[in-house]
Parts: sequence; structure tokens; C-alpha cells
Amino acid sequence: EVQMLQSGGGLVKPGGSLRLSCEVSGFTFRNYIMNWFRQAPGKGLEWVSFISHSGSSIYYADSVKGRFTVSRDNANNLLFLQMNSLTAEDTAVYYCARPSYCDAGSCNAYWGQGVLVTVSS
Amino acid sequence: DIQLTQSPSSLSASVGDRVTITCRASQGINNFLAWFQQKPGKAPKSLISAASTLQSGVPSRFSGSGSGTEFTLTISSLQSEDLATYYCHQYHSYPYTFGQGTKLEIK
Repeated sequence: EVQMLQSGGGLVKPGGSLRLSCEVSGFTFRNYIMNWFRQAPGKGLEWVSFISHSGSSIYYADSVKGRFTVSRDNANNLLFLQMNSLTAEDTAVYYCARPSYCDAGSCNAYWGQGVLVTVSS
Repeated sequence: DIQLTQSPSSLSASVGDRVTITCRASQGINNFLAWFQQKPGKAPKSLISAASTLQSGVPSRFSGSGSGTEFTLTISSLQSEDLATYYCHQYHSYPYTFGQGTKLEIK
């Protein structure tokens, strides 16, 4: 069974930092690209960051570029999102996600449960 | 950035109805389009990838079609549990983008 267990969310003051984690089990983590997405309260979905399976290719949304850093620990099946210089506009539920892959006719994408990040003084 | 425009933004339909949601891309994205279903307080659930590939475990009443700039998600016979917001998502080019969502209500 695939599990993507997220942690690290919470309340942080403007200008502060937070590190999100996503612990993966049930598939060979090192073989897959991963993404972070977020959803502000009452709003739609927004892509935040991409990291290739080896970590050699990384992309960010303009809204977080220079402030957020994505990384991964393939030895321990962990995905991270380091968030610095947080503002109220970063308040959202953050999701880690593995894109859909098809194997033997079965296609699956997986998302974490989401963690709420609230930036407020 | 590639903009995705979903229509309608909301719709109300009865159980058993055929429902179609459209997603238009501002430029061609081949078939790099996915559809997600999101219920309140829950993570998005992948329904369709590559424009028309049904994800494992998703009921066959859901189908996707299209290529290039025009895509549709169809629910052939609406069920009460389909109450949700539906999003299209392009993964052809960075930054990845989503449609604004279609809120589906059951009459």
C-alpha cells in the first residue's frame, strides 16, 4: 500500500521559515519525479515545485522562487520543502504528489494528505 | 504561462445525468492533461491522466478526451458521490497550471 505521510505544517510569523516533509512508502521513491502543490483557503490548486528523481532538475513557481527549496533523500524515501521568508500569501494546504505512472495497465498518481501552513502574526 | 479555462464554473445536475466539463488551454499541450476530483477537506484525487487514461480504481462512468487545446471530462451517469470540485491540470510546460475548477452540485 502506498503511503505519503506529510509533516511540518503549522503557524509561523511573517518572515519566518518552515520545513515540510513527505515520507513515502509503497513504491520505489528514487525512481520517480515529485511535485509540491498548494491550495490557499477557499481557492484553487497551485503548483509549487518539481524535483526530478535524482534531484538534478528542479523547478519552482515564480511566486516561491528564491524563497523555497525542494530537496529529496532517496536513501530514506523523504521529500522536503524548505520555506523561507514566508508571507501571508503562502498560507495554504501543501501537498506532496507523485505524478501518474502506468504499470501493467494500472495507472496511479499519489498525493499526501496535505498539511496546513498558516503565516500570521 | 499556459492558461487553462474550465467551463462551466459550476453546474447542478441530477443523478443519472450525463455531465460534461470542458477545459481549454491557451496553447497546445498535446495530451499532457490530467483531471482531478476534490471533495471538501480532502486531497485531490487523480481521475484521468494523459487526457484520456483512467486511473486505477476510478469508476468507468468517468472518461476524458481531447488533445491540443480542447479537453473534456465526462461523467456518463452522475452519482450522488460525484459531488465535488473538478480541476484540469496541464503538465506540458512549467509552470504547471490548473483550471479554476468546476463545482458540481447534485440537484
